[in-house]
Amino acid sequence: QKEVEQNSGPLSVPEGAIASLNCTYSDRGSQSFFWYRQYSGKSPELIMFIYSNGDKEDGRFTAQLNKASQYVSLLIRDSQPSDSATYLCAVKGHAGGTSYGKLTFGQGTILTVHP
Amino acid sequence: GAVVSQHPSWVICKSGTSVKIECRSLDFQATTMFWYRQFPKQSLMLMATSNEGSKATYEQGVEKDKFLINHASLTLSTLTVTSAHPEDSSFYICSAREGGYEQYFGPGTRLTVT
Repeated sequence: QKEVEQNSGPLSVPEGAIASLNCTYSDRGSQSFFWYRQYSGKSPELIMFIYSNGDKEDGRFTAQLNKASQYVSLLIRDSQPSDSATYLCAVKGHAGGTSYGKLTFGQGTILTVHP
Repeated sequence: GAVVSQHPSWVICKSGTSVKIECRSLDFQATTMFWYRQFPKQSLMLMATSNEGSKATYEQGVEKDKFLINHASLTLSTLTVTSAHPEDSSFYICSAREGGYEQYFGPGTRLTVT
């Protein structure tokens, strides 16, 4: 089982719709979770981070965390063609784990928003 | 805030030569810097972690004598790919952290070894 798993997609949504991106992780002790967006040929840029169970909203983006289910998601409302990119879920290693302080990335989900 | 730069943005070198990539935190002091490598259509793979003033910690399978990392100051880390070969061609990305939770990524360096 991979440490961080995402559907590779591609996920295609129409402009204006909600895009839902999912991520599961294997280390139950993980505490910190991040979503990055990566455009083709560019480096990742941080969209959101979440540490607590529940929802965290920032503009059109909502991150959702369920530690019991080891599941984190990212919702993008009113999707725009400029949101078309690869979205990377990352989990930070916790104290006492083998990857303390390091980010482990999922393989990324390709999102395409079509007009 | 939280700007990380890399230089060069792309480089082409001949097989057997060495190439140095710089990573700088421009508006904060980076206590920790990370070096990643990304092959086409793959995710980021951590190569090594460096803390200012100490030796880098390499991930399993990464040759420390081939990928030399120096973190001489709180704003600069360098990665030197020694005796580069075509299989080292990749997108090298650094990130920096100021002791907090978030890592901020540099724009990346695309290395092509001919």
